[in-house]
Amino acid sequence: ETGVTQSPTHLIKTRGQQVTLRCSSQSGHNTVSWYQQALGQGPQFIFQYYREEENGRGNFPPRFSGLQFPNYSSELNVNALELDDSALYLCASSPGQGAGAFFGQGTRLTVV
Amino acid sequence: LAKTTQPISMDSYEGQEVNITCSHNNIATNDYITWYQQFPSQGPRFIIQGYKTKVTNEVASLFIPADRKSSTLSLPRVSLSDTAVYYCLVVSTGGFKTIFGAGTRLFVKA
Repeated sequence: ETGVTQSPTHLIKTRGQQVTLRCSSQSGHNTVSWYQQALGQGPQFIFQYYREEENGRGNFPPRFSGLQFPNYSSELNVNALELDDSALYLCASSPGQGAGAFFGQGTRLTVV
Repeated sequence: LAKTTQPISMDSYEGQEVNITCSHNNIATNDYITWYQQFPSQGPRFIIQGYKTKVTNEVASLFIPADRKSSTLSLPRVSLSDTAVYYCLVVSTGGFKTIFGAGTRLFVKA
């Protein structure tokens, strides 16, 4: 157990819909990162939040957005879902930038 | 960000020591080397992180030579449950972007 929890664990959405994924970070961790992992590939960095501010973004379109709350929990929002958005979405928290991150179990999103 | 290169796959037998080497030729002064383990449909699990020389914890050892252009993750006496994908990452203390490569698929046989 890493102390990082994600919800829901599984989700099925229709193309064009919007989805919100949630992450509760480990106590004391002020940095949260989100990743997308397609089947058989390594996780791809989406963005990172540090003390409620986005401080880095990977190569993902603006329809991927996020929030970090004062308690350091976080949300990932994806608008206008596409079939290729089907993947395991991972949240990771760490006590600071560059420190070892602890991952949640992920949310399996299927877009049909 | 330093790119990492590691073997795509490795096979081993139960009880053996497994060493997985990762090269990171362009590592910067403020970069740390971090290893993760991932089982299917689960999030990666932090194994170990180091800057130079040797780091050991209850799970593994990490060996980093003086030039820091490579690192070796050592798993003592592996078991079947160590079958997983192992990722080597270079993480900057001041940075935000963590890049995962394809990882090394370790298969432990009985």
